[in-house]
Amino acid sequence: GDSVTQMEGPVTLSEEAFLTINCTYTATGYPSLFWYVQYPGEGLQLLLKATKADDKGSNKGFEATYRKETTSFHLEKGSVQVSDSAVYFCALSSPYNTDKLIFGTGTRLQVFP
Amino acid sequence: GAGVSQSPSNKVTEKGKDVELRCDPISGHTALYWYRQSLGQGLEFLIYFQGNSAPDKSGLPSDRFSAERTGGSVSTLTIQRTQQEDSAVYLCASSLAQAVTEAFFGQGTRLTVV
Repeated sequence: GDSVTQMEGPVTLSEEAFLTINCTYTATGYPSLFWYVQYPGEGLQLLLKATKADDKGSNKGFEATYRKETTSFHLEKGSVQVSDSAVYFCALSSPYNTDKLIFGTGTRLQVFP
Repeated sequence: GAGVSQSPSNKVTEKGKDVELRCDPISGHTALYWYRQSLGQGLEFLIYFQGNSAPDKSGLPSDRFSAERTGGSVSTLTIQRTQQEDSAVYLCASSLAQAVTEAFFGQGTRLTVV
């Protein structure tokens, strides 16, 4: 079945460092891909998404490109801030079943000043 | 309210007891979803409601789990005869239509079965 695999955390960085969180997927057809973020004490929020191959989703300085050839959707940010400390979840939605998201296990990011 | 509200935020229960978890979706949202996050696991889909009906309950792990939604609003997830493996964070989300990608999530209920 469809699945998402993302790198285990925690990822620990200094402020202004470059961030990459890897995400790969297995799916039938052409899924939509998402990154969600959960800040401490808050609910899960959609960060960005991409719905077709080569699309780039971006928001708040974060970017991820839908790579069909490598079945990947890696999250990147050029310069992280302490306020980016959170848990990040990669997810997919199958075109054959749009009423559910399939999530990865989440990656905790800790940014220190 | 302004967002999806879940109660209680934390629940500790003894093995074998029944528990009820509540979700108040955003007013006007017709679709409602329940997910579960166990330690070290991703978010696992449990059930989806459109209005008061549940067209997809394929994620409920056993017949000890049930959910209902009344008045197209509040939903209750019930776990009977809780087991230790039921310990997890239970998340609820709601959306205007059947489009989970536009859903708003609550902060979850952390359930601990001792």
